[in-house]
Amino acid sequence: DIQMTQSPSSLSASIGDTVTITCRASQNIISYLNWYRQKPGKAPELLIYAASSLQIGLPSRFSGRGSGTDFTFTITHLLPEDFATYYCQQSYSTVVTFGGGTKVQIK
Amino acid sequence: EVQLVESGGGLVKPGGSLRLSCAASGFNFSAYSMNWVRQAPGKGLEWVSSMSSSSSGSRSYIYYADSVKGRFTISRDNARMSLFLQLNSLRAEDTAVYYCARDTYHGGRIFDYWGQGSLVAVSS
Repeated sequence: DIQMTQSPSSLSASIGDTVTITCRASQNIISYLNWYRQKPGKAPELLIYAASSLQIGLPSRFSGRGSGTDFTFTITHLLPEDFATYYCQQSYSTVVTFGGGTKVQIK
Repeated sequence: EVQLVESGGGLVKPGGSLRLSCAASGFNFSAYSMNWVRQAPGKGLEWVSSMSSSSSGSRSYIYYADSVKGRFTISRDNARMSLFLQLNSLRAEDTAVYYCARDTYHGGRIFDYWGQGSLVAVSS
């Protein structure tokens, strides 16, 4: 199975900050990489698909980039609702795998 | 409005069985591949199973995670707009919230809508 390694596992930031999360795949997944946000007690929500495409209806302060094995996800101008856990997910293989998650906490 | 509503969770003893259901509304269910994803308490997301829009035909598929293969069975009833997951031979490590999730229209195992989840607790 393809292993997805996210870093950091947690970070602290303030409202208005810019944060970047990294996701590394154990093998080449081209651009089959998606990002989700999960607020406490809620279901995950798709933010970015195919590495860099913004899900419809979402603000442009969410962005993603990368290809192959290395990917990044960035949030600019952090808002209160952005303090949540973020997951990357590869959809290259028939066996879908998620990263371990990055918890974004208020500093 | 797209809605996915899971039901059927509960407390079950090790070795027991449970059947989860996911009722869909607000979209053409028969045109979308569907999935189950679970989350153990305090842990991350784990994909469980995926099923194509149709259970027959050259493009049909069913996939399972190794951790559930041979014990769980995914199925769907397009006429009833419902997705199911039969859980057999349950173990303590199957304890989790089980989410039903829709694929995007073009497929690709990108989960654009999720239900609220159904809790399965396996304990003696």
